[in-house]
Amino acid sequence: DVQVTQSPSSLSASVGDRVTITCRASLSISTFLNWYQHKPGKAPKALISSASTLLSGVPSRFSGSGSGTQFTLTISSLQPEDFATYYCQQSYSTPYSFGQGTKLEIK
Amino acid sequence: QVQLVESGGGVVQPRGSLRLSCEASGGTFSHYGMHWVRQAPGKGLEWVAVVWYNGIHQYYADSVKGRFIISRDNSKNTLYLEMNNLRVEDTAVYYCARDPDGGGSGSPLDYWGQGTLVTVSS
Repeated sequence: DVQVTQSPSSLSASVGDRVTITCRASLSISTFLNWYQHKPGKAPKALISSASTLLSGVPSRFSGSGSGTQFTLTISSLQPEDFATYYCQQSYSTPYSFGQGTKLEIK
Repeated sequence: QVQLVESGGGVVQPRGSLRLSCEASGGTFSHYGMHWVRQAPGKGLEWVAVVWYNGIHQYYADSVKGRFIISRDNSKNTLYLEMNNLRVEDTAVYYCARDPDGGGSGSPLDYWGQGTLVTVSS
């Protein structure tokens, strides 16, 4: 099974900051990596597919990169609505494991 | 507009059973793979299972393999999760989610339900 390790587990930042979240896979998964945003009481929302493809309707301040075992999600200029928990998920092989999550909080 | 509505959650004793349902509306249900994802209290998302668009292939997380069964009835636009021999650690909000491809392509889950809470407690 592919293990996915996400870091940091929490992050405190201010509006306008640039933040980066990292995801590492236990073996090469090419670009089979998706990113989600999850707010309390709401359904998770997909942001990025195939490591770097921004999904329709997602603001351009979000970007993803990486391949193989190392991936990053970057938010170029934090907005108030971006404070949430972010998850990566490998879709290379079942079980389609999620990272542990990164809780992004307001400083 | 695609909508997914879960039902069937509740309180159950350890070693008990429960069946969750997820009714879909909008879109053509039989074209899409369907997943269950759960979130235990205070924890992160955990992928549980997937069933392909035609119901032929199912895959499970190691934590539920042999205890949970995912299935679907395309004539009723409904996804199911049969949960047996439940454990305290199965306590979670269970979400159903749509795979925009057939189930095995690795696409991100594009529509999610609001979740149903399962509590396993004596």
